[in-house]
This record gives sequence, structure tokens and C-alpha cells, in this order.
Amino acid sequence: GENVEQHPSTLSVQEGDSAVIKCTYSDSASNYFPWYKQELGKRPQLIIDIRSNVGEKKDQRIAVTLNKTAKHFSLHITETQPEDSAVYFCAAKSSGDKLTFGTGTRLAVRP
Amino acid sequence: DAGVTQSPTHLIKTRGQHVTLRCSPISGHKSVSWYQQVLGQGPQFIFQYYEKEERGRGNFPDRFSARQFPNYSSELNVNALLLGDSALYLCASSLGFGAFFGQGTRLTVV
Repeated sequence: GENVEQHPSTLSVQEGDSAVIKCTYSDSASNYFPWYKQELGKRPQLIIDIRSNVGEKKDQRIAVTLNKTAKHFSLHITETQPEDSAVYFCAAKSSGDKLTFGTGTRLAVRP
Repeated sequence: DAGVTQSPTHLIKTRGQHVTLRCSPISGHKSVSWYQQVLGQGPQFIFQYYEKEERGRGNFPDRFSARQFPNYSSELNVNALLLGDSALYLCASSLGFGAFFGQGTRLTVV
């Protein structure tokens, strides 16, 4: 089955700096890669996603890149703000609607 | 515009008991999936249902079962509860690629 590895597990950045979170996946059949933000005690919230036929996607301060050959994808957050502090999960979808999640990255943005 | 709704939000059960969790998907979404999230970990896939049929099952014991109703709402049932079943149970609905989560049911087994 699919296996998704995510790193780093924790990340602390100064407000205004950029943050990068990286994930690798094992199943070459995976074709959809969403990123979720989860604040303490709340639901995972879909913030951006990318399909396997696209190499990069951007939405304001957030961007995701995908390298299908290397089987890795990354989340980039620019101009970080304190409200970006949360746990971020990457995921990969292979068969059906099953999402396999990474282990999460706890991002702390220091004011 | 209602999102995914789950009930109850919190639940405390005793070992050996049975529990039923409920989920209503976003209007128009026919696919519902269930995930278990243990504190400090990512969600783990339990089941996926589409048009009332099971489309996927994760690596969970037979104590876990689910079903989907004609209105696309869904129930997750867990029998013979163990302490290790304590977790946040998340329901997600989908129309295609994107999966949108409910607020979850926090289950505590004592």
C-alpha cells in the first residue's frame, strides 16, 4: 500500500520568513496530493491540492510543487504570519478515495 | 451552506461497549470516508462508501463496520471497545478529488 513520509516534524520560523514542508510517497499510481492544516482541537482543513498532471500550483501565499519522477511534493508558505501556526499534513490518494496521510509538521511562527 | 456534520461531538464509553457515530456529508457529495486520528498522528483511513457501497477498507479489525444510507449519510459502528480505540473519528465527504472533513467525534474509552 501507499506510504507517505513527511518532514520536518516540527518547524519554527520568524514571522515574515518562508516555511517549507516536504513529503515523499511510495505508490507511483497516486494521482492527487492535498495538504491540510489542523489547528488545535479543530478539523483538518484542506488548504491546497495538486493533481499528478501538474507540477506546481499557487494560491496567494501558499504553493505546492510535485516531482512525480522523484515521488515527492512540497508545501511552501511565504510571508508567514502567526495565524499560520498549526499542524500541517500532506496526503496522497491512490486507489478509490483513500487518503494516506503523513505524520504531520507542527509549524510555529514567532511574532 | 452546511459543511460535513458529525454527531455526537464527544463520547465516553466503557471497555466492551458498542458505539455508533454519525455523519452527514456536504449536500451533493455521494462519497463518505471515515478516518481515525490518534493524538499526535495523521488520520488513518478506515472505510470509504460511495452510493451505499463499500469502496475501500483500511487495516482495522472486524469490530469496525460502517454503512451509508440512501441520503448519503453514514454511520460508523465499533463493537467491543478497547482502550486503544480512544481517538478522534473524522468523517470526510467528497465530490471528486477534494475531501472535506467534519469536526469529528472525540471518543474516550475508559
